[in-house]
Amino acid sequence: GQNIDQPTEMTATEGAIVQINCTYQTSGFNGLFWYQQHAGEAPTFLSYNVLDGLEEKGRFSSFLSRSKGYSYLLLKELQMKDSASYLCAVMDSNYQLIWGAGTKLIIKP
Amino acid sequence: GAVVSQHPSWVICKSGTSVKIECRSLDFQATTMFWYRQFPKQSLMLMATSNEGSKATYEQGVEKDKFLINHASLTLSTLTVTSAHPEDSSFYICSARDPRGLGNQPQHFGDGTRLSIL
Repeated sequence: GQNIDQPTEMTATEGAIVQINCTYQTSGFNGLFWYQQHAGEAPTFLSYNVLDGLEEKGRFSSFLSRSKGYSYLLLKELQMKDSASYLCAVMDSNYQLIWGAGTKLIIKP
Repeated sequence: GAVVSQHPSWVICKSGTSVKIECRSLDFQATTMFWYRQFPKQSLMLMATSNEGSKATYEQGVEKDKFLINHASLTLSTLTVTSAHPEDSSFYICSARDPRGLGNQPQHFGDGTRLSIL
């Protein structure tokens, strides 16, 4: 079956760095996506990886290793507004998005 | 700006009422749209895939007679929750597959509809 694993919850301090991991087992691979979702709102797109390596976009970076079925989202210089759930999703061979359960990130002052 | 519009954003109604939610792609034609449901503190759950001009594909455990999906045009899909009951109260989110390329965002999301059944 298809499976995406990510931690349920993480806590970090304002100004610090946090890494959210995601491992996956899917039928085929056409890219991995990270989304941010604030409570009561729809997800918003953060990043896309299809090749191995690091993609950097401002304070956020995303890494992919296809051989290991592994990705992480790195958030630097954490701000209180970064408190949200972070969803890892993989596009399978049918171009369907398979979603992880999300990681709730709590930022403390 | 938003590329997918979802309406209404909030619905409160009595048990037994049918509720229709609309999802429109604003600047592209979406042959495929998706309907998700999200309960508090849980992740997105795909309910069904809506294909323009054909029947929707429902995920296992989702009642097709209760959640009616119509995708009659390339820019509009509707989800009707028939005879809604309190257990149907949830956050419903639509998304549309962007045919202009899979390079970045594979799906654009609407803002969601919060449905509360009394």
